[in-house]
Amino acid sequence: DVKVTQSSRYLVKRTGEKVFLECVQDMDHENMFWYRQDPGLGLRLIYFSYDVKMKEKGDIPEGYSVSREKKERFSLILESASTNQTSMYLCASSWPRRDRRQSGETQYFGPGTRLLVL
Amino acid sequence: SQELEQSPQSLIVQEGKNLTINCTSSKTLYGLYWYKQKYGEGLIFLMMLQKGGEEKSHEKITAKLDEKKQQSSLHITASQPSHAGIYLCGARRLSGSARQLTFGSGTQLTVLP
Repeated sequence: DVKVTQSSRYLVKRTGEKVFLECVQDMDHENMFWYRQDPGLGLRLIYFSYDVKMKEKGDIPEGYSVSREKKERFSLILESASTNQTSMYLCASSWPRRDRRQSGETQYFGPGTRLLVL
Repeated sequence: SQELEQSPQSLIVQEGKNLTINCTSSKTLYGLYWYKQKYGEGLIFLMMLQKGGEEKSHEKITAKLDEKKQQSSLHITASQPSHAGIYLCGARRLSGSARQLTFGSGTQLTVLP
């Protein structure tokens, strides 16, 4: 079974603080993704990475940065947290496929981190 | 850009009833994924469809992709409280880097005992 873990389930931070969200996967996946999920807006892609030290902006990268120093770990950084970054953050990983019945694009998600910025 | 529209946005059914959730795309779907999310948790992968007319089942959940590959439906037979949650469809993006998915906004399902 694919396992994707996130460092915290709940996090409370103050405006202006630097926030680190960590994600680790154990399936040797090449692709990793960070999304945020907000009511009525669904999942929106922030950043993704297709290899170590490689990253690409998603749909809403402003206010965020990422780091991928090791294949299994993908970090999301909020340089200076703001209240509009209060959200549910979800990490996912994919590729290559381990099961021939699945597509390589199948993404496997972590449990999420609910971040509150005061 | 490709958009996925899910309907209904929310659904309340009595235990034992059948239900259907729809996912419609403005463009041809090349890989349609169904996920389930329990409140406050991550997404659990359910099924993936690729070919027009394809149908897959897992326990009491059946997903279909229409022949034109622009609409998918998720059907639950004899619903149970354990089926409650948010169901999201996702589709492979046609533009940008390969292997990205775009998601619908979800359907919230409540099953009353």
